[in-house]
Amino acid sequence: DQQVKQNSPSLSVQEGRISILNCDYTNSMFDYFLWYKKYPAEGPTFLISISSIKDKNEDGRFTVFLNKSAKHLSLHIVPSQPGDSAVYFCAASGRFSGGYNKLIFGAGTRLAVHP
Amino acid sequence: EAGVTQFPSHSVIEKGQTVTLRCDPISGHDNLYWYRRVMGKEIKFLLHFVKESKQDESGMPNNRFLAERTGGTYSTLKVQPAELEDSGVYFCASSQDLIGGPIFGQGTRLTVV
Repeated sequence: DQQVKQNSPSLSVQEGRISILNCDYTNSMFDYFLWYKKYPAEGPTFLISISSIKDKNEDGRFTVFLNKSAKHLSLHIVPSQPGDSAVYFCAASGRFSGGYNKLIFGAGTRLAVHP
Repeated sequence: EAGVTQFPSHSVIEKGQTVTLRCDPISGHDNLYWYRRVMGKEIKFLLHFVKESKQDESGMPNNRFLAERTGGTYSTLKVQPAELEDSGVYFCASSQDLIGGPIFGQGTRLTVV
């Protein structure tokens, strides 16, 4: 049973607009969440993270929002650029599950940013 | 600074053969992880080394998989004998700390035919 779910396999957004990628998790004991970006034939690249003591974390064009009561997080990219086209993975972790770098990944969302 | 390096980038082997994947972590990173992505699905944890010791191998699929990390430097993941369902992309990652997001290598795509 998947503990981290990314229900949208793909998303298409126009350049300059906002991209919103969603992620749901099932176990309320997860307390650290990460987003990775992956280009074809490359490994995942760390993008941004958030601890459960926060509900928002920003880094430039990227913002992650965490709603603990809903067990939901989202990644906002504003403004979206063609170079953002990639597969985005949500990941969760926690001390209970073996450590914060033992990541439970979702299946990924393929983002396409078109001109 | 060199990143996490994996060899080979792609391996095609026949069912029943043996394959060894290698990972060179970032120098100084005590923590080394192996992950696997099968059939374009989620990336799944296999195991975690701290230096040369296996900290957590709960994700290893079965005893056909053997991971080692000699001297706490590079790591190998051997699959013997390989089965069709072992096909996928094997990622290695390393980190200095136990939190903050490990750094991944480019992966080894294993195809078992």
